[in-house]
Amino acid sequence: KAGVTQTPRYLIKTRGQQVTLSCSPISGHRSVSWYQQTPGQGLQFLFEYFSETQRNKGNFPGRFSGRQFSNSRSEMNVSTLELGDSALYLCASSFRRLSDTQYFGPGTRLTVL
Amino acid sequence: AQTVTQSQPEMSVQEAETVTLSCTYDTSESDYYLFWYKQPPSRQMILVIRQEAYKQQNATENRFSVNFQKAAKSFSLKISDSQLGDAAMYFCAYRRAYGQNFVFGPGTRLSVLP
Repeated sequence: KAGVTQTPRYLIKTRGQQVTLSCSPISGHRSVSWYQQTPGQGLQFLFEYFSETQRNKGNFPGRFSGRQFSNSRSEMNVSTLELGDSALYLCASSFRRLSDTQYFGPGTRLTVL
Repeated sequence: AQTVTQSQPEMSVQEAETVTLSCTYDTSESDYYLFWYKQPPSRQMILVIRQEAYKQQNATENRFSVNFQKAAKSFSLKISDSQLGDAAMYFCAYRRAYGQNFVFGPGTRLSVLP
């Protein structure tokens, strides 16, 4: 069974632009969570989607948004990029919403110049 | 809010030796899960081991085992017979029983010396 895939793997943007990242969960998994990883803040939870609905949201500004499609694929969007948004964005999927194990994708490395 | 602490930013171990990574957490919940994830330089996070808080028996996965002390809120990872491929960042993570998002510790970078 294929793992969690994320596209693109690397992205360079400039301040003020917006970006969309994509995540395809493991086949059959319906829950997708997003995390931001930076050297200073570590791994921080962004949001979780299940059945096309956002179920949980971390402490991030409204510039960060996401959605989930009927096939469980998810996208996250960051508008008006700031330098501090440079990070590795990780997507994780699990079978059930309350399933206790999340499986992570390889991440998208976003650099904001 | 729950917090996870890993007091050892870096550790090293000789190949074939045993190393223990520390993790403590703070929670008022009684039902939760604890995890150790490994992140090699390739950046893919990999689940190493998980522990259900209601289970007293410590989880074991091949060369990896945990020492779960619920009262002390401690969850250490022991790696036996260390291999070069064990070199990675190790993250301790907490998830309450009815919540989906994980709370991660800051990580411990493990080096394995030949």
